[in-house]
Amino acid sequence: SAVISQKPSRDICQRGTSLTIQCQVDSQVTMMFWYRQQPGQSLTLIATANQGSEATYESGFVIDKFPISRPNLTFSTLTVSNMSPEDSSIYLCSVAIGDRSTDTQYFGPGTRLTVL
Amino acid sequence: SQQGEEDPQALSIQEGENATMNCSYKTSINNLQWYRQNSGRGLVHLILIRSNEREKHSGRLRVTLDTSKKSSSLLITASRAADTASYFCATGSANTGFQKLVFGTGTRLLVSP
Repeated sequence: SAVISQKPSRDICQRGTSLTIQCQVDSQVTMMFWYRQQPGQSLTLIATANQGSEATYESGFVIDKFPISRPNLTFSTLTVSNMSPEDSSIYLCSVAIGDRSTDTQYFGPGTRLTVL
Repeated sequence: SQQGEEDPQALSIQEGENATMNCSYKTSINNLQWYRQNSGRGLVHLILIRSNEREKHSGRLRVTLDTSKKSSSLLITASRAADTASYFCATGSANTGFQKLVFGTGTRLLVSP
């Protein structure tokens, strides 16, 4: 298993500002994932973050809006840039542990973002 | 994109009763995972079932998988008030690189004392 922490746990931000969310894992992992969960909705994958390479973004998400860093095998950051109220969501990071086809994904506690 | 549809969207039962949630998906998969989320917090992994498995148990949880019908069910037996949460299925497949999960729409379970 993996223990994942996220900072901050919640924040209230003003429109037009940016917020950087940190994700720390207690073991080294190759791939980390960032998800968004809009109010009352399910989870949608934003991007996959591999150490030593550029993040891979899913359709509908772009690097200018959600820049990601992955400086080492236990840490990643997601920045939500130029925020608008539509960005109000829970942002979760996750890691996959196990063999490739039967990985179990473990999630952090999430960052609840409210944009005014 | 959303692969899974879950039903019911919401389920309300009394303590001690069983709760069954269903998940349907559209493409071939390698595994299916069930998660619990309490009050908009992080997701807790409950159980993973592989595509070549039909049934799996973990404590009060029983998961079935029918790949011919592209569906799975999660049964919680003898439910408790602490089981109140949202439950999500998520699929992993070679098409999405195994590790990229596609989540279902979720079922909100309310267990009343």
